[in-house]
Amino acid sequence: EVQLLESGGGLVQPGGSLRLSCVASGFTFTSYAINWVRQAPGKGLEWVSTISSSGGSTYYADSVKGRFTISRDNSKNTLFLQMNSLRAEDTAVYYCARGSQPRGDYWGQGTLVTVSS
Amino acid sequence: EIVMTQSPATLSVSPGERATLSCRASQSVSSNLAWYQQKPGQAPRLLIFSASTRATGIPARFSGGGSGTEFTLTISSLQSEDFAVYYCQQYVNWPITFGQGTRLEIK
Repeated sequence: EVQLLESGGGLVQPGGSLRLSCVASGFTFTSYAINWVRQAPGKGLEWVSTISSSGGSTYYADSVKGRFTISRDNSKNTLFLQMNSLRAEDTAVYYCARGSQPRGDYWGQGTLVTVSS
Repeated sequence: EIVMTQSPATLSVSPGERATLSCRASQSVSSNLAWYQQKPGQAPRLLIFSASTRATGIPARFSGGGSGTEFTLTISSLQSEDFAVYYCQQYVNWPITFGQGTRLEIK
């Protein structure tokens, strides 16, 4: 069974940092690109970032470029999202989602990030 | 950026009836279009990819159509568990973009 489990969310002050993790199981992790998608409270879905299966290519939404860094440890079946210079508008549930075609055939349950003083 | 526009924002339909949801892209995405269902407090679930291919385990009452810039998701006979929010997503170009969602509610 394909499973994705996010962790690392929490309350952080504006300007602070947080590192999210997503542990994958039930599939060959090294064969899949993985995506981060977020959802602000009561709002729609927003793609954040993607990393290729090898980790050699990364892509970012303009809203997070230069502040967030996506990475993966294929030896540990784990995806990361390092989030720096956090803003109130980054408050959202962050989901990891597997795949390229489409960008999200399986999703984790999400982790909530709240940016507030 | 490819803008995805869904209509209507809210659709009220009675159980057992047919529902048709629309998604329009600001430029051609060919068939690189997916549909997701999201229920309150849950992660999105993939329903359709490549515009018309049902994902694993998705009932046959869900069907997708269209190509280029105009797409539809049809639910042939609504069940109680189908009332949710539906999103389309294009994955042909960066940035990946979603529509704003259509809320399907019980009439």
